[in-house]
Amino acid sequence: GENVEQHPSTLSVQEGDSAVIKCTYSDSASNYFPWYKQELGKRPQLIIDIRSNVGEKKDQRIAVTLNKTAKHFSLHITETQPEDSAVYFCAASKPGAGSYQLTFGKGTKLSVIP
Amino acid sequence: DAGVIQSPRHEVTEMGQEVTLRCKPISGHNSLFWYRQTMMRGLELLIYFNNNVPIDDSGMPEDRFSAKMPNASFSTLKIQPSEPRDSAVYFCASSLSGLPPYFGPGTRLTVL
Repeated sequence: GENVEQHPSTLSVQEGDSAVIKCTYSDSASNYFPWYKQELGKRPQLIIDIRSNVGEKKDQRIAVTLNKTAKHFSLHITETQPEDSAVYFCAASKPGAGSYQLTFGKGTKLSVIP
Repeated sequence: DAGVIQSPRHEVTEMGQEVTLRCKPISGHNSLFWYRQTMMRGLELLIYFNNNVPIDDSGMPEDRFSAKMPNASFSTLKIQPSEPRDSAVYFCASSLSGLPPYFGPGTRLTVL
């Protein structure tokens, strides 16, 4: 089955700096890569996603890049703010039965220091 | 839209007891997922349903776990008998075909 590795497990940045989280996946058939943000005690929430026919996608301060050849994808957060502090999860999925069966990385705890 | 609804939000039980977790997906969604989250193992997919039919239950840890979806608006995850190692947050998520899963608030289960 699919295996998703995520690094680093913890990341501390100064407010205003950029943060980068990297993930690799094992199954070359995977074609959908979402990122979820989970605040303490809350549910994971989708913040951005990318499909395999696209190399990069941006949404305001966040961007995701995908390298299908190397089977890795990354989340970039620019101009970080204290409210960006949370655990971020990457995931990978193959299409199947009409829905996305996500395999998650272990998560990155991001701390933004004011 | 109320989102995915899970109950109970917190459950404390003793080892050996039966536990039933409940989920109401978002109306109109045709896929439903049960995930378990622990510090050690992260977010694990236990089982998912498409149009009320179980598609993949390979993540269900053992026979003590069972899940049902009797109709499009309700699903249960049952653990019988429960063990301390089952303590975790259990998330239900639902989605519409071609869209990513939307997670519910979770049920925090503690087995003493």
